[in-house]
Amino acid sequence: VQLVESGGGVVQPGRSLRLSCAASGFTFSSAGMHWVRQAPGKGLEWVAVIWYDGSDQYYADSVKGRFTISRDNSKDILYLQLNSLRAEDTAVYYCARWITVTTGHFQSHYLDVWGNGTTVTVSS
Amino acid sequence: EIVLTQSPGTLSLSPGERATLSCRASQSVDSSYLAWYQQKPGQAPRLLIYGASSRATDIPDRFSGSGSGTDFTLTISRLEPEDFAVYYCQLYGRSRWTFGQGTKVEIK
Repeated sequence: VQLVESGGGVVQPGRSLRLSCAASGFTFSSAGMHWVRQAPGKGLEWVAVIWYDGSDQYYADSVKGRFTISRDNSKDILYLQLNSLRAEDTAVYYCARWITVTTGHFQSHYLDVWGNGTTVTVSS
Repeated sequence: EIVLTQSPGTLSLSPGERATLSCRASQSVDSSYLAWYQQKPGQAPRLLIYGASSRATDIPDRFSGSGSGTDFTLTISRLEPEDFAVYYCQLYGRSRWTFGQGTKVEIK
């Protein structure tokens, strides 16, 4: 099971970038997927989630309206389109697999596999 | 919006000591929605605990999670050298996932 991010780089404020996350070793089309970011020296910040079939997506308030999460289940690839980039979007961006486990009446949700991250630097 | 507050910010301990990390939610949550992750410098986070108390695959039994309502705890019974890292709690929400700000466990 592996996730490999790509597409990061240095970009000027206001410009766009598209990140990719290539999945292997599991049935990608059955898994919800997330993007999580980490600014330099800071903690983890959840960014976005997409349902296994792409039918639903949600975003953190800090990126809503600027970022778009999508997926291509025929290629086993997750995407994050980053538009109108700001200096505060500078971070390592991780993709992660969402797992749901049902035990009796309870349902647990967590991120069990993470990529190694791709770095986005927004700077003029 | 539920906020997760972790304490302490930094925990300075020696190998072999017990570590107790706290995660407090701003309102009562379903404990099955609470997870813990470990992150070492330059690495991606690693899942430790899900459902507040269930250990993930291949996680040593010195790691344990507990709690309910608003108060959750990650305990490392005896610190090994490889356990010095930053730990995050995380809460599931259908439209929003939340991380705590992290607790750094450093060597004293």
